[in-house]
Amino acid sequence: KAGVTQTPRYLIKTRGQQVTLSCSPISGHRSVSWYQQTPGQGLQFLFEYFSETQRNKGNFPGRFSGRQFSNSRSEMNVSTLELGDSALYLCASSLDRYDDYGYTFGSGTRLTVV
Amino acid sequence: GDSVTQMEGPVTLSEEAFLTINCTYTATGYPSLFWYVQYPGEGLQLLLKATKADDKGSNKGFEATYRKETTSFHLEKGSVQVSDSAVYFCALMGAGNMLTFGGGTRLMVKP
Repeated sequence: KAGVTQTPRYLIKTRGQQVTLSCSPISGHRSVSWYQQTPGQGLQFLFEYFSETQRNKGNFPGRFSGRQFSNSRSEMNVSTLELGDSALYLCASSLDRYDDYGYTFGSGTRLTVV
Repeated sequence: GDSVTQMEGPVTLSEEAFLTINCTYTATGYPSLFWYVQYPGEGLQLLLKATKADDKGSNKGFEATYRKETTSFHLEKGSVQVSDSAVYFCALMGAGNMLTFGGGTRLMVKP
């Protein structure tokens, strides 16, 4: 069974630009979450989507947004990029809200802002 | 709010040594607890989990027991291998269906 697929793997953008990252969850998984990983702040929760609805949002500015499509694929968008947005962005999927098995993570998209 | 504290690394061990990585948590209610492992250049892989008090999660020789009385979920392995070198993250899932992670512990195993 295919795992969580994130594209692209690597991305270099310039300050002020915007970027869209994509995540395809495991087949049948309806919950998709996004996390940001940086050396300074560690792993931080961005948001979670379930059946195309955002159910939970972390403490990030409005420049960070996301959406989920009817096939459960999700995209994350960051507008007006700042140098501090350089990070590994991880997507994770799970069966449903009350899934005690935690999440299955993708390999991430490494974003570098120059 | 929820929080997870794990021992800072790096932890450097010789092959076949015993491993313990401490993890304690603060949460309301009864969270599920997890250990994830991250190899260089990769995402997170679920190593083991426990969903209620006194549960023992185990996988690939690693074990951790959910201790509600001490709010701990320490990771142990009896004999580490060079291939176990990675960063290990303790995490909890509380009511909000989001994972709260510890800061990670880098393990380096020398042959």
